[in-house]
Amino acid sequence: AQSVTQPDIHITVSEGASLELRCNYSYGATPYLFWYVQSPGQGLQLLLKYFSGDTLVQGIKGFEAEFKRSQSSFNLRKPSVHWSDAAEYFCAVGTGTGGYQKVTFGTGTKLQVIP
Amino acid sequence: DVKVTQSSRYLVKRTGEKVFLECVQDMDHENMFWYRQDPGLGLRLIYFSYDVKMKEKGDIPEGYSVSREKKERFSLILESASTNQTSMYLCASSGIGPSEGYTFGSGTRLTVV
Repeated sequence: AQSVTQPDIHITVSEGASLELRCNYSYGATPYLFWYVQSPGQGLQLLLKYFSGDTLVQGIKGFEAEFKRSQSSFNLRKPSVHWSDAAEYFCAVGTGTGGYQKVTFGTGTKLQVIP
Repeated sequence: DVKVTQSSRYLVKRTGEKVFLECVQDMDHENMFWYRQDPGLGLRLIYFSYDVKMKEKGDIPEGYSVSREKKERFSLILESASTNQTSMYLCASSGIGPSEGYTFGSGTRLTVV
């Protein structure tokens, strides 16, 4: 069975600083990997996804993530954080089975942005 | 704008009540999902459905059931609500294919008293 680990429960960064959120996964085959963001009181929104090809993927809101098979990692990055990026971020791994997928989510990393 | 709509943002129910949480999507998606979200535990899959009238148990189905009579609607039912079912409930949908991401609703925060 697949699993996802987000080792950082809470991260605080200054506005304008760079950001990296860590994600490690466990899955026997090539995974489908996702990052989602959840603003307070809202559902989750898809930031970006990886399923093949270039290991550096670009997403919305200026985020990117890099798939590293050797490290079983899919870390999320942003070069310069804005106050509006304060939210909770979830990494997820999906496995395809027939016409539907089962997605397993990490426990999330809460990002605080200070002025 | 494509959407997953959950009928209630906040619900307060009494222990033992039968509770219905409704979810409707307008994207003609085949797959629909119910998760519950609790602090420190992330999202846990309760049930999912890959077709009308089809359902599969997720990781924590105990105390819940689901209904999917129409493609666009997926209902979560708490047969007899208990205080340990107080949580945020998130509905999601996706198209066919393992690379499809999910579209989530805004969530229903259920409190059982």
